[in-house]
Amino acid sequence: DAGVIQSPRHEVTEMGQEVTLRCKPISGHDYLFWYRQTMMRGLELLIYFNNNVPIDDSGMPEDRFSAKMPNASFSTLKIQPSEPRDSAVYFCASSFGSDPSKNIQYFGAGTRLSVL
Amino acid sequence: AQSVAQPEDQVNVAEGNPLTVKCTYSVSGNPYLFWYVQYPNRGLQFLLKYITGDNLVKGSYGFEAEFNKSQTSFHLKKPSALVSDSALYFCAVSSTGGFKTIFGAGTRLFVKA
Repeated sequence: DAGVIQSPRHEVTEMGQEVTLRCKPISGHDYLFWYRQTMMRGLELLIYFNNNVPIDDSGMPEDRFSAKMPNASFSTLKIQPSEPRDSAVYFCASSFGSDPSKNIQYFGAGTRLSVL
Repeated sequence: AQSVAQPEDQVNVAEGNPLTVKCTYSVSGNPYLFWYVQYPNRGLQFLLKYITGDNLVKGSYGFEAEFNKSQTSFHLKKPSALVSDSALYFCAVSSTGGFKTIFGAGTRLFVKA
């Protein structure tokens, strides 16, 4: 398996533009997580899905952020409109199983977003 | 609420010496504890976990961690550090019945040759 695949690896955009980050989880995994990593705030959980259904989106910073998982093999994180403070590395991770004790998360390589 | 503290931003150790990266946690119920490692420009990789049982957990690349319930700690250790161990290490916790995992701020480990 190729692991969790994120695209693009790097994104540079201007303030006010819409940004869409994409994630393909590991086949067969039923949990998908979106994280944001910054120097100031560390690694923050934004939202996670189980069987394509959003379970906890309490970490989504504001209404400009939205996430979808239309099927088991694809998820998007959208920022509209983007702002310079959204600049960060965004990670997607997936895991398998109904038992939280087995919740080992497999991370993608991340998308480095720069909003100018 | 769950929380994780990694009190050291950076740990420096000489190659061949033992290393310890500290972690304390706070959680309701029984904790599930994890260590992950991040190399430059890469995602996090799982190292080891504690669920129940033996307080000393062994993981990948010769790392181990000791669970101490009374001190609510889960320190990462390795008997003999390698230069290639230099990376960013994250401690994480989730609680019984939940998949929401909280990560610490990370500790940067430098191993000098």
